[in-house]
Amino acid sequence: DSGVTQTPKHLITATGQRVTLRCSPRSGDLSVYWYQQSLDQGLQFLIQYYNGEERAKGNILERFSAQQFPDLHSELNLSSLELGDSALYFCASSGDILGNTIYFGEGSWLTVV
Amino acid sequence: AQSVSQHNHHVILSEAASLELGCNYSYGGTVNLFWYVQYPGQHLQLLLKYFSGDPLVKGIKGFEAEFIKSKFSFNLRKPSVQWSDTAEYFCAVNANTGNQFYFGTGTSLTVIP
Repeated sequence: DSGVTQTPKHLITATGQRVTLRCSPRSGDLSVYWYQQSLDQGLQFLIQYYNGEERAKGNILERFSAQQFPDLHSELNLSSLELGDSALYFCASSGDILGNTIYFGEGSWLTVV
Repeated sequence: AQSVSQHNHHVILSEAASLELGCNYSYGGTVNLFWYVQYPGQHLQLLLKYFSGDPLVKGIKGFEAEFIKSKFSFNLRKPSVQWSDTAEYFCAVNANTGNQFYFGTGTSLTVIP
């Protein structure tokens, strides 16, 4: 158990819908990272937050957004969902801004039908 | 931009065979290097990491990796694999001055009993 908690574990939704994935980082960790893992694209970095502020942006679509709240949990919002958004979404956390060693949650499986 | 290359996409070995998975990165500065393992249906777990010091690092479950700066490589090794090592292995790089983790595309290892 890495200490990073993600909910929901599995989610099935229809195209065009919007979903929110939630992540609670390890106790004391200030940085939260979101990754998307799909069969054809591998592990893609989406976005990083540190202590409530966006720190780095990767291959995140405009239809996706994220935020980190004062209690340090983070949410990834996915809207206007397409079939190609079906993937495993991982949250990871680390204790410092440089992310020296990140620890992954178990992921949220999103299936868009 | 940094990039990470894992040249072996799929490796199949018999139990007790030796393993070496290649990882090369492109970044001219100081880097932190990681290997993560993802067992079937599970999240990514840290296998080992290198920040500085002895370039030969030992991780969990008998794995080790050697950082060769001149070759920009951080290959993963294990003298004798077991069936339970069947998993996906990801190499990752994090620059000392950056926030992002760059992951390779992963190597799928199948160990045949």
